[in-house]
Amino acid sequence: NAGVMQNPRHLVRRRGQEARLRCSPMKGHSHVYWYRQLPEEGLKFMVYLQKENIIDESGMPKERFSAEFPKEGPSILRIQQVVRGDSAAYFCASSPGRDRGIYGYTFGSGTRLTVV
Amino acid sequence: GESVGLHLPTLSVQEGDNSIINCAYSNSASDYFIWYKQESGKGPQFIIDIRSNMDKRQGQRVTVLLNKTVKHLSLQIAATQPGDSAVYFCADGISGGYNKLIFGAGTRLAVHP
Repeated sequence: NAGVMQNPRHLVRRRGQEARLRCSPMKGHSHVYWYRQLPEEGLKFMVYLQKENIIDESGMPKERFSAEFPKEGPSILRIQQVVRGDSAAYFCASSPGRDRGIYGYTFGSGTRLTVV
Repeated sequence: GESVGLHLPTLSVQEGDNSIINCAYSNSASDYFIWYKQESGKGPQFIIDIRSNMDKRQGQRVTVLLNKTVKHLSLQIAATQPGDSAVYFCADGISGGYNKLIFGAGTRLAVHP
């Protein structure tokens, strides 16, 4: 029973390029959450998605960032026109369902984005 | 705004000693708290949780204490081992379908032989 799978583990992008981060939830989990972690800081909530729906995107920057969780396939966090300040570790978590929400959180190993 | 903060950024202990990591929260509506362990290059790993109707919960070598009066919780690790070296985060959430966790800044625990 695989855990939350994130890829790539490391991603290097030049300023102005696009970054795509993927997250496959645990088997049986239908809710996905994205968090960002800057060096030496705690995780900051970005967005909460269910299949084909964005439930809470209160932590997403207004521009350049978008997220989706299609009916088929992994959840994608997309960052357009990356800047150096986007360099961080991005973690995905999944949970079984809304009523269990935070009780069933399982985190992936993260994608470390470096913008050069 | 909401915040969860840590009193000590770094804690150094001798192997075999007990460790205590503290955390303060500000949202009086928070009723669920989790401690996570994060090793270098890895994602947060669940350690123990506690709901606001409890003031103490014990796991294997770990105990979490919750003081709702002063909005403070602590993680106690008994007989600390080198494998306990990591960054520890507290996080708070609101149950009843709410799905967002608010994380503190973290405490780095360094265990010395």
